[in-house]
Amino acid sequence: GEDVEQSLFLSVREGDSSVINCTYTDSSSTYLYWYKQEPGAGLQLLTYIFSNMDMKQDQRLTVLLNKKDKHLSLRIADTQTGDSAIYFCAETFPGGGYNKLIFGAGTRLAVHP
Amino acid sequence: NAGVTQTPKFRILKIGQSMTLQCTQDMNHNYMYWYRQDPGMGLKLIYYSVGAGITDKGEVPNGYNVSRSTTEDFPLRLELAAPSQTSVYFCASRAGTGEETQYFGPGTRLLVL
Repeated sequence: GEDVEQSLFLSVREGDSSVINCTYTDSSSTYLYWYKQEPGAGLQLLTYIFSNMDMKQDQRLTVLLNKKDKHLSLRIADTQTGDSAIYFCAETFPGGGYNKLIFGAGTRLAVHP
Repeated sequence: NAGVTQTPKFRILKIGQSMTLQCTQDMNHNYMYWYRQDPGMGLKLIYYSVGAGITDKGEVPNGYNVSRSTTEDFPLRLELAAPSQTSVYFCASRAGTGEETQYFGPGTRLLVL
């Protein structure tokens, strides 16, 4: 079945690194995404990784993919108060004529001084 | 480009009323999607379209209808609003085959009383 799970809450101190974790069940997914949602706003694409990659780095963001364990993580270096938001993990794979995007419930990141 | 735009931002409906949520994209994307986001949950797909004149049901289509008369517009219709339809609705678009990333609008918050 298709399921994406995330921890619901993470609290970090400003300047520390944040690691948000996600597990998924379907090994046929092609892309895995991280979206950011600030209060009252839509979803902003942060980064994504293709399923045949292990790691992707984009400035302060590092995505790690462990295909064997079906585990995806997002590391935010030097976390700032502006990083406070809900982070959604999502997987997509082709099927039924559209690319089906399955979301986790989101991890709320709180950054405190 | 404005990207994906949605109107209205917020609406209160009485039970049994109807309304149309508007979604427009100016990126000439073929694929468009409607999702709903319930509190503390990830997004669920309501309907999607792979091009003008073609629509199909997602995971939670009951109580909704869509149309796609142009590439740009993908309105979502609620005919008889019910409290269970209280949610935040997001529209998204994707270029097409070979381009997997979905881009989201800012959302419409709907309250049915």
